[in-house]
Amino acid sequence: EEKLEESGGGFVRPGESLRLSCVASGFTLSSYEMVWVRQPPGQGLEWLFYISQNGDTVYSADSVKGRFTISRDNALNSVFLQMNSLRVEDTALYYCARDRGLRLGFDLWGRGAQVTVFS
Amino acid sequence: SYVVTQPPSVSVAPGKTATITCGGNNIGTKYVHWYQQKPGQAPLLVIYYYRVRPSGIPERFSGHISGNTATLTISSVEAGDEAGYYCQVWDSSGVQYLFGPGTQLTVL
Repeated sequence: EEKLEESGGGFVRPGESLRLSCVASGFTLSSYEMVWVRQPPGQGLEWLFYISQNGDTVYSADSVKGRFTISRDNALNSVFLQMNSLRVEDTALYYCARDRGLRLGFDLWGRGAQVTVFS
Repeated sequence: SYVVTQPPSVSVAPGKTATITCGGNNIGTKYVHWYQQKPGQAPLLVIYYYRVRPSGIPERFSGHISGNTATLTISSVEAGDEAGYYCQVWDSSGVQYLFGPGTQLTVL
């Protein structure tokens, strides 16, 4: 069974950092582009990052530029989201998803990791 | 930056047809996909590339594109279709993916 599983979420204070991990199983991560998407409580989906198969190409949303970074380690079948200088408004459920390309969409999602930033 | 619009809510009686729209300038060039999200669950891809249904998605789900509007149609609506529905596009100018604000489908 193909699966994505996020981990690393938690409760932090403003200004602190967290690193989320997304581990793939049932398929070879290195063959796929990946994205991170978040969803604040009771709100809609917000795309954050795209990373290419080998990590050479990254696209990011303006809302997290300069504070968050995406990376991947294909040997570990993992994608990461490093979140620095966290703000209260970063409180959300963070999903990783498999990006099948412009014509095929995000076809596999994890269950999400909860990040809560409280002052 | 590119703007995507969706109605906040749509209500429909069981067995009827629900229509959810996704609007944007030249949206026919934006590679539109549709996701269903039920409470407490991750999003699920229900239509990709405007009108293609993934394996396992019922034929009741269909997509259409015309002018500046993409449409998700759910025929013979069931109680289990009650969910949030999001369109997603690729904004080549901003080099970013965008989700619409989402539409809550209520089955009466």
